[in-house]
Amino acid sequence: AQSVTQLGSHVSVSEGALVLLRCNYSSSVPPYLFWYVQYPNQGLQLLLKYTSAATLVKGINGFEAEFKKSETSFHLTKPSAHMSDAAEYFCAVSISGGGADGLTFGKGTHLIIQP
Amino acid sequence: NAGVTQTPKFQVLKTGQSMTLQCAQDMNHNSMYWYRQDPGMGLRLIYYSASEGTTDKGEVPNGYNVSRLNKREFSLRLESAAPSQTSVYFCASSELEQSYEQYFGPGTRLTVT
Repeated sequence: AQSVTQLGSHVSVSEGALVLLRCNYSSSVPPYLFWYVQYPNQGLQLLLKYTSAATLVKGINGFEAEFKKSETSFHLTKPSAHMSDAAEYFCAVSISGGGADGLTFGKGTHLIIQP
Repeated sequence: NAGVTQTPKFQVLKTGQSMTLQCAQDMNHNSMYWYRQDPGMGLRLIYYSASEGTTDKGEVPNGYNVSRLNKREFSLRLESAAPSQTSVYFCASSELEQSYEQYFGPGTRLTVT
């Protein structure tokens, strides 16, 4: 079964600093990988996805992530944090490597931006 | 396009009561899903419907039933609610052509007392 580990339930950075949110996955098949963001009392919004094309994926709001097969990682980065980036971030992997049977989510990382 | 809509937004039930959560999507997606979100647990898949006419269990199906009413609608039923089912419930839909990227509804916050 696929699984996702997000290191750090809370990450705090200063405004303007680099954001790095870590995600490691396990998958028995080539995975599809996703990062979602959730603002308070809202649903989840897709930031970016990896579907076996380019290993460096650019998403919305200046975020990007790099797929590293050798490290089974898909870490999310943003060069300069903004106050509006404060939210919960979820990494997810497709359950069957790209099929219609849903996603397995990590437990989430709460990103705090210090002024 | 409204995307994925869910009703109700909030609900309070007493233990043993039943209710149905409704979900509809207007993106012509074949696949639909129900997840629950609990603090510190991320989202966990309850049931999914890969296509109209099919439904399958996810990670945490016990205590729930689903109905894929048509291509647009996918409902989740709690027959006898328990306090352990207090959670936020999200419906989502996806399509092969978009790599099964999930589009989420706004959620239903359910409290069982």
